[in-house]
Amino acid sequence: GQNIDQPTEMTATEGAIVQINCTYQTSGFNGLFWYQQHAGEAPTFLSYNVLDGLEEKGRFSSFLSRSKGYSYLLLKELQMKDSASYLCAYMDSNYQLIWGAGTKLIIKP
Amino acid sequence: GAVVSQHPSRVICKSGTSVKIECRSLDFQATTMFWYRQFPKKSLMLMATSNEGSKATYEQGVEKDKFLINHASLTLSTLTVTSAHPEDSSFYICSARDPQTSGVINEQFFGPGTRLTVL
Repeated sequence: GQNIDQPTEMTATEGAIVQINCTYQTSGFNGLFWYQQHAGEAPTFLSYNVLDGLEEKGRFSSFLSRSKGYSYLLLKELQMKDSASYLCAYMDSNYQLIWGAGTKLIIKP
Repeated sequence: GAVVSQHPSRVICKSGTSVKIECRSLDFQATTMFWYRQFPKKSLMLMATSNEGSKATYEQGVEKDKFLINHASLTLSTLTVTSAHPEDSSFYICSARDPQTSGVINEQFFGPGTRLTVL
Protein backbone atom coordinates (compact mmCIF):
# COMPACT_ATOMS: atom_id res chain seq x y z
CA GLY A 1 0.00 0.00 0.00
CA GLN A 2 0.90 3.66 -0.09
CA ASN A 3 -0.06 5.03 3.32
CA ILE A 4 1.66 8.04 4.77
CA ASP A 5 0.31 10.21 7.54
CA GLN A 6 1.25 13.45 9.21
CA PRO A 7 -0.72 15.94 11.32
CA THR A 8 -2.77 18.48 9.39
CA GLU A 9 -1.77 21.52 11.41
CA MET A 10 0.48 22.50 14.29
CA THR A 11 1.03 25.73 16.18
CA ALA A 12 4.21 26.80 17.94
CA THR A 13 5.77 29.90 19.44
CA GLU A 14 8.63 31.90 17.99
CA GLY A 15 11.93 30.76 19.51
CA ALA A 16 10.55 27.40 20.60
CA ILE A 17 11.05 23.86 19.27
CA VAL A 18 8.52 21.83 17.31
CA GLN A 19 8.51 18.21 16.15
CA ILE A 20 6.46 17.15 13.15
CA ASN A 21 5.84 13.41 12.95
CA CYS A 22 5.31 11.28 9.89
CA THR A 23 4.36 7.62 9.74
CA TYR A 24 4.27 5.45 6.68
CA GLN A 25 3.58 1.92 5.53
CA THR A 26 5.25 0.52 2.46
CA SER A 27 6.72 -2.71 1.19
CA GLY A 28 9.45 -0.95 -0.77
CA PHE A 29 11.50 1.89 0.69
CA ASN A 30 14.30 4.03 -0.72
CA GLY A 31 14.42 6.91 1.71
CA LEU A 32 12.32 9.53 3.45
CA PHE A 33 12.27 13.18 2.39
CA TRP A 34 11.12 16.35 4.09
CA TYR A 35 10.21 19.39 2.03
CA GLN A 36 9.10 22.88 3.02
CA GLN A 37 6.40 24.61 1.03
CA HIS A 38 5.30 28.20 1.47
CA ALA A 39 1.84 29.09 0.27
CA GLY A 40 1.66 29.39 -3.50
CA GLU A 41 5.22 28.21 -3.99
CA ALA A 42 6.84 24.93 -4.97
CA PRO A 43 8.37 22.66 -2.32
CA THR A 44 12.01 23.07 -1.36
CA PHE A 45 14.18 20.22 -0.16
CA LEU A 46 15.00 20.06 3.54
CA SER A 47 16.33 16.62 4.33
CA TYR A 48 16.74 13.00 3.31
CA ASN A 49 17.06 9.92 5.54
CA VAL A 50 17.66 6.42 4.28
CA LEU A 51 19.34 4.92 7.34
CA ASP A 52 18.04 4.92 10.89
CA GLY A 53 19.05 7.81 13.06
CA LEU A 54 19.18 11.55 13.28
CA GLU A 55 20.45 13.89 10.58
CA GLU A 56 21.16 17.40 11.77
CA LYS A 57 21.35 20.41 9.49
CA GLY A 58 21.45 23.72 11.28
CA ARG A 59 18.15 24.47 13.00
CA PHE A 60 16.48 21.52 11.29
CA SER A 61 16.97 17.84 12.12
CA SER A 62 15.29 14.77 10.73
CA PHE A 63 14.99 11.33 12.29
CA LEU A 64 14.13 7.96 10.78
CA SER A 65 13.21 4.57 12.18
CA ARG A 66 12.69 2.13 9.34
CA SER A 67 11.44 -0.68 11.57
CA LYS A 68 8.72 1.56 12.95
CA GLY A 69 7.90 3.33 9.69
CA TYR A 70 8.40 6.60 11.48
CA SER A 71 10.15 9.88 10.88
CA TYR A 72 10.10 13.30 12.43
CA LEU A 73 11.30 16.75 11.49
CA LEU A 74 12.59 18.83 14.39
CA LEU A 75 12.72 22.60 14.05
CA LYS A 76 14.63 24.57 16.69
CA GLU A 77 14.74 28.29 17.48
CA LEU A 78 11.60 28.84 15.45
CA GLN A 79 11.38 31.97 13.37
CA MET A 80 8.31 33.57 11.84
CA LYS A 81 9.59 32.68 8.38
CA ASP A 82 9.31 29.00 9.32
CA SER A 83 5.54 29.31 8.97
CA ALA A 84 4.86 26.98 6.05
CA SER A 85 3.64 23.54 5.18
CA TYR A 86 6.04 20.67 5.77
CA LEU A 87 5.67 17.67 3.50
CA CYS A 88 7.07 14.26 4.18
CA ALA A 89 7.44 11.80 1.35
CA TYR A 90 8.94 8.35 1.03
CA MET A 91 10.52 6.98 -2.08
CA ASP A 92 9.10 3.61 -3.04
CA SER A 93 10.72 0.67 -4.76
CA ASN A 94 10.14 2.32 -8.16
CA TYR A 95 11.93 5.47 -6.95
CA GLN A 96 8.69 7.43 -7.02
CA LEU A 97 7.90 9.89 -4.24
CA ILE A 98 4.75 9.15 -2.26
CA TRP A 99 3.64 12.32 -0.53
CA GLY A 100 1.91 13.00 2.74
CA ALA A 101 -0.78 15.68 2.81
CA GLY A 102 1.52 18.13 4.57
CA THR A 103 1.54 19.73 8.00
CA LYS A 104 0.73 23.41 8.15
CA LEU A 105 2.94 24.99 10.80
CA ILE A 106 1.74 28.24 12.32
CA ILE A 107 4.30 30.28 14.27
CA LYS A 108 3.00 32.78 16.80
CA PRO A 109 5.03 35.65 18.25
CA GLY B 1 22.41 23.82 -7.01
CA ALA B 2 20.15 22.51 -9.74
CA VAL B 3 17.56 25.02 -10.95
CA VAL B 4 14.24 24.24 -12.59
CA SER B 5 12.08 26.92 -14.17
CA GLN B 6 8.45 26.89 -15.21
CA HIS B 7 6.57 29.13 -17.58
CA PRO B 8 4.10 30.69 -17.25
CA SER B 9 3.84 31.18 -13.51
CA ARG B 10 0.19 32.07 -13.76
CA VAL B 11 -2.36 31.65 -16.53
CA ILE B 12 -6.05 32.38 -16.85
CA CYS B 13 -7.91 30.91 -19.80
CA LYS B 14 -11.41 30.35 -21.06
CA SER B 15 -13.08 26.99 -20.84
CA GLY B 16 -12.40 24.88 -23.92
CA THR B 17 -9.00 26.34 -24.73
CA SER B 18 -5.64 24.58 -24.42
CA VAL B 19 -2.78 25.70 -22.22
CA LYS B 20 0.87 24.72 -22.50
CA ILE B 21 3.18 24.78 -19.50
CA GLU B 22 6.95 24.55 -19.94
CA CYS B 23 9.40 23.05 -17.49
CA ARG B 24 13.11 23.62 -18.01
CA SER B 25 16.20 22.42 -16.22
CA LEU B 26 18.51 25.42 -16.43
CA ASP B 27 21.92 24.10 -15.44
CA PHE B 28 21.66 20.36 -15.83
CA GLN B 29 20.28 17.71 -18.13
CA ALA B 30 17.23 15.94 -16.80
CA THR B 31 16.49 12.56 -18.30
CA THR B 32 13.44 12.31 -16.08
CA MET B 33 10.94 15.00 -15.17
CA PHE B 34 7.79 14.71 -13.12
CA TRP B 35 4.51 16.55 -13.35
CA TYR B 36 2.38 17.11 -10.26
CA ARG B 37 -0.83 18.91 -9.50
CA GLN B 38 -1.83 20.25 -6.14
CA PHE B 39 -5.23 21.41 -4.97
CA PRO B 40 -5.54 23.91 -2.11
CA LYS B 41 -4.49 22.44 1.23
CA LYS B 42 -3.85 19.08 -0.40
CA SER B 43 -0.69 17.17 -1.07
CA LEU B 44 1.14 16.85 -4.33
CA MET B 45 -0.39 14.34 -6.71
CA LEU B 46 1.90 12.80 -9.28
CA MET B 47 0.31 13.00 -12.71
CA ALA B 48 3.01 11.51 -14.91
CA THR B 49 6.67 10.73 -15.26
CA SER B 50 8.27 12.18 -18.35
CA ASN B 51 11.30 10.49 -19.88
CA GLU B 52 13.35 12.19 -22.56
CA GLY B 53 12.74 10.71 -25.99
CA SER B 54 9.96 8.36 -24.95
CA LYS B 55 6.31 8.42 -24.01
CA ALA B 56 5.33 9.66 -20.59
CA THR B 57 4.10 7.23 -17.96
CA TYR B 58 0.77 8.38 -16.57
CA GLU B 59 -0.58 7.63 -13.13
CA GLN B 60 -3.86 5.84 -12.76
CA GLY B 61 -6.80 8.14 -13.28
CA VAL B 62 -4.89 10.76 -15.28
CA GLU B 63 -6.20 11.14 -18.82
CA LYS B 64 -3.26 11.02 -21.22
CA ASP B 65 -5.31 12.57 -24.03
CA LYS B 66 -6.22 15.52 -21.86
CA PHE B 67 -2.81 16.10 -20.31
CA LEU B 68 -0.30 15.86 -23.14
CA ILE B 69 3.31 15.57 -22.09
CA ASN B 70 6.28 16.01 -24.38
CA HIS B 71 9.91 15.62 -23.31
CA ALA B 72 11.73 16.34 -26.53
CA SER B 73 15.06 17.38 -25.05
CA LEU B 74 17.12 16.82 -21.94
CA THR B 75 16.25 20.28 -20.63
CA LEU B 76 12.62 20.76 -21.59
CA SER B 77 9.33 19.02 -20.84
CA THR B 78 5.93 20.47 -21.64
CA LEU B 79 2.48 19.76 -20.26
CA THR B 80 -0.49 20.76 -22.39
CA VAL B 81 -3.90 20.84 -20.79
CA THR B 82 -6.27 20.33 -23.70
CA SER B 83 -9.84 21.64 -23.74
CA ALA B 84 -9.44 22.98 -20.24
CA HIS B 85 -12.42 23.14 -17.92
CA PRO B 86 -12.88 24.87 -14.54
CA GLU B 87 -12.20 21.62 -12.70
CA ASP B 88 -8.70 21.64 -14.23
CA SER B 89 -7.90 24.78 -12.27
CA SER B 90 -5.02 23.87 -10.00
CA PHE B 91 -1.37 24.43 -9.16
CA TYR B 92 0.83 22.45 -11.55
CA ILE B 93 4.40 21.74 -10.49
CA CYS B 94 7.19 20.02 -12.35
CA SER B 95 10.32 18.51 -10.90
CA ALA B 96 13.47 16.98 -12.26
CA ARG B 97 16.33 14.82 -11.12
CA ASP B 98 19.87 15.85 -11.82
CA PRO B 99 21.67 12.55 -12.43
CA GLN B 100 24.98 14.03 -11.37
CA THR B 101 23.88 15.50 -8.04
CA SER B 102 20.78 13.49 -7.20
CA GLY B 103 22.81 10.32 -7.30
CA VAL B 104 22.55 8.64 -3.95
CA ILE B 105 19.55 10.50 -2.61
CA ASN B 106 17.51 10.78 -5.81
CA GLU B 107 16.53 14.31 -4.84
CA GLN B 108 13.96 16.03 -7.00
CA PHE B 109 14.32 19.73 -7.77
CA PHE B 110 11.05 21.54 -8.17
CA GLY B 111 10.02 24.32 -10.49
CA PRO B 112 8.18 27.31 -9.02
CA GLY B 113 4.80 26.03 -10.20
CA THR B 114 2.10 27.29 -12.54
CA ARG B 115 -1.26 28.39 -11.24
CA LEU B 116 -3.94 27.64 -13.82
CA THR B 117 -7.37 29.22 -13.57
CA VAL B 118 -9.98 28.15 -16.09
CA LEU B 119 -12.99 30.44 -16.31
